[in-house]
Amino acid sequence: KAGVTQTPRYLIKTRGQQVTLSCSPISGHRSVSWYQQTPGQGLQFLFEYFSETQRNKGNFPGRFSGRQFSNSRSEMNVSTLELGDSALYLCASSRRVATDTQYFGPGTRLTVL
Amino acid sequence: QKEVEQDPGPLSVPEGAIVSLNCTYSNSAFQYFMWYRQYSRKGPELLMYTYSSGNKEDGRFTAQVDKSSKYISLFIRDSQPSDSATYLCAMIGGNDMRFGAGTRLTVKP
Repeated sequence: KAGVTQTPRYLIKTRGQQVTLSCSPISGHRSVSWYQQTPGQGLQFLFEYFSETQRNKGNFPGRFSGRQFSNSRSEMNVSTLELGDSALYLCASSRRVATDTQYFGPGTRLTVL
Repeated sequence: QKEVEQDPGPLSVPEGAIVSLNCTYSNSAFQYFMWYRQYSRKGPELLMYTYSSGNKEDGRFTAQVDKSSKYISLFIRDSQPSDSATYLCAMIGGNDMRFGAGTRLTVKP
């Protein structure tokens, strides 16, 4: 069974730009969660999607948004990028809810210059 | 106080040593406990998953849960250089899932 895939793997943007990251969950998994990982803050929860609906949201500004498609694939968008948005963005999929066992993708390394 | 506390290390041990990694938590609603291993520039990979108090063994890895003390541990026996990674604890209770900050482990040949 293929694992969680994320594209692109690496991205360099400048302040003020926007970015869209993509995540394809494990086949059969319907819940997709997004996390931001930085050396200082560790793993921070962004949001969870299930059946195309956002079910939970972490404490991030409205510049961070996401969506899920009918095939469970998910995208995350960050608008008006700031230097502090530089991080590893991880997507995790689970069968039904985020509190099922989560399987992570390799992440997208975003650098904001 | 954070809900999940994990010593960030770094922890450096010689090859063959027994490694002990720990997390404490404050929310007694947590019922499921996991350990993830994360290599540099990779996503976290599920290593161990436990539910009840007690020990669970998988090869060189043993996960231990003490719900009365709100304390979980991961032991690595006969540690290898390939075990060098960051180890994150995670726990689930109700509709809540939390991660520890991760402990960076280096096993020196």
